[in-house]
Amino acid sequence: DAGVTQSPTHLIKTRGQQVTLRCSPKSGHDTVSWYQQALGQGPQFIFQYYEEEERQRGNFPDRFSGHQFPNYSSELNVNALLLGDSALYLCASKRGAGTLGTDTQYFGPGTRLTVL
Amino acid sequence: GQNIDQPTEMTATEGAIVQINCTYQTSGFNGLFWYQQHAGEAPTFLSYNVLDGLEEKGRFSSFLSRSKGYSYLLLKELQMKDSASYLCAVRNDYKLSFGAGTTVTVRA
Repeated sequence: DAGVTQSPTHLIKTRGQQVTLRCSPKSGHDTVSWYQQALGQGPQFIFQYYEEEERQRGNFPDRFSGHQFPNYSSELNVNALLLGDSALYLCASKRGAGTLGTDTQYFGPGTRLTVL
Repeated sequence: GQNIDQPTEMTATEGAIVQINCTYQTSGFNGLFWYQQHAGEAPTFLSYNVLDGLEEKGRFSSFLSRSKGYSYLLLKELQMKDSASYLCAVRNDYKLSFGAGTTVTVRA
């Protein structure tokens, strides 16, 4: 049973460029969340997708956008990259739409983005 | 807003017990999670509390007091492989808000 997978593993971009990160959820999961984790910090919530719709968004500018496909996989797009966007980008998936119960999110290994 | 505080670092000896405290002030609450994260790896789920009290899961236990906005994670019989960052996270609606993490170093 494959867990959450993300691609690419590492990415180097320059300021002003655009980037697309990809996530495939764990088998049987239909909800995907994206987090940004700066070095030495905890993950910061970017947004969550369910049924191809953005359900909730964290405190991130519109340069951060996403998409969920009918097979539940998801993309995170970041436009006009800034040096401060350098971070580990984590995707997490879970089963179902609810917020009750253990409702465990499973994290992928992340994409390490470096902006020069 | 969300404010989740936990100590930055802790060091303990193999076989000992360590308690990691987490205090939170959040605009909403429907559960508190603890995750373990080894360097360069994804966070992995350890425990979940939504009601006050202690949840025990093998060598790991987690406690919650909602009235005090307080939780702790207790790691017993420490092993070298327990050296990692431990993240406290509060769920509010659909999102998890994380603390900065506590780096635990286990010495032989």
